Amino acid sequence: KQEVTQIPAALSVPEGENLVLNCSFTDSAIYNLQWFRQDPGKGLTSLLLIQSSQREQTSGRLNASLDKSSGRSTLYIAASQPGDSATYLCAVRPRGSSNTGKLIFGQGTTLQVKP
Amino acid sequence: ETGVTQTPRHLVMGMTNKKSLKCEQHLGHNAMYWYKQSAKKPLELMFVYNFKEQTENNSVPSRFSPECPNSSHLFLHLHTLQPEDSALYLCASSQASGPQETQYFGPGTRLLVL
Repeated sequence: KQEVTQIPAALSVPEGENLVLNCSFTDSAIYNLQWFRQDPGKGLTSLLLIQSSQREQTSGRLNASLDKSSGRSTLYIAASQPGDSATYLCAVRPRGSSNTGKLIFGQGTTLQVKP
Repeated sequence: ETGVTQTPRHLVMGMTNKKSLKCEQHLGHNAMYWYKQSAKKPLELMFVYNFKEQTENNSVPSRFSPECPNSSHLFLHLHTLQPEDSALYLCASSQASGPQETQYFGPGTRLLVL
């Protein structure tokens, strides 16, 4: 059974710091891995999607990497800003779920960036 | 309206009540999803509909009853719920497109069962 774990559960950093969020998964048979952002009381917004054949994806100050063999992904945020404060969720799409789009989520890392 | 909308945004109900959550997507997608997000637990997939057909039921109790009348609308009918069913219920939609498929989420309905 696929399980997704995110460490740390919470993180507080001063503005301007570079930071790394970690995600691990137990079964390497995945279609892709996604990072989402969730603001308090709101839905999820997709940040980056990495296909199983890819190693990393970049969008602005965000860079996500994927090491499928070790079951790990990291989300790197450069020059953090108070507006980056949110909960970041990692989700994997198991291989074999192509007909359902099923996603397995981690519990998330709640990030606070202090001015 | 654009994206994925959900109504109501907040709902308080007693254990004997019957209520429905509504989700509507304006993105032309062919798949829709219900998720449950409880405090201190990962987001849990409840149901998946592809082209209006249910393709996934993640062992959800029968007090939750989904309905998908067309590819743009999804309902979650609630009856005789328990206090532990209090959670944020999120709807999502996607267009089947292989490995690049991304789900788009609504803002959620915050449900409190008394």
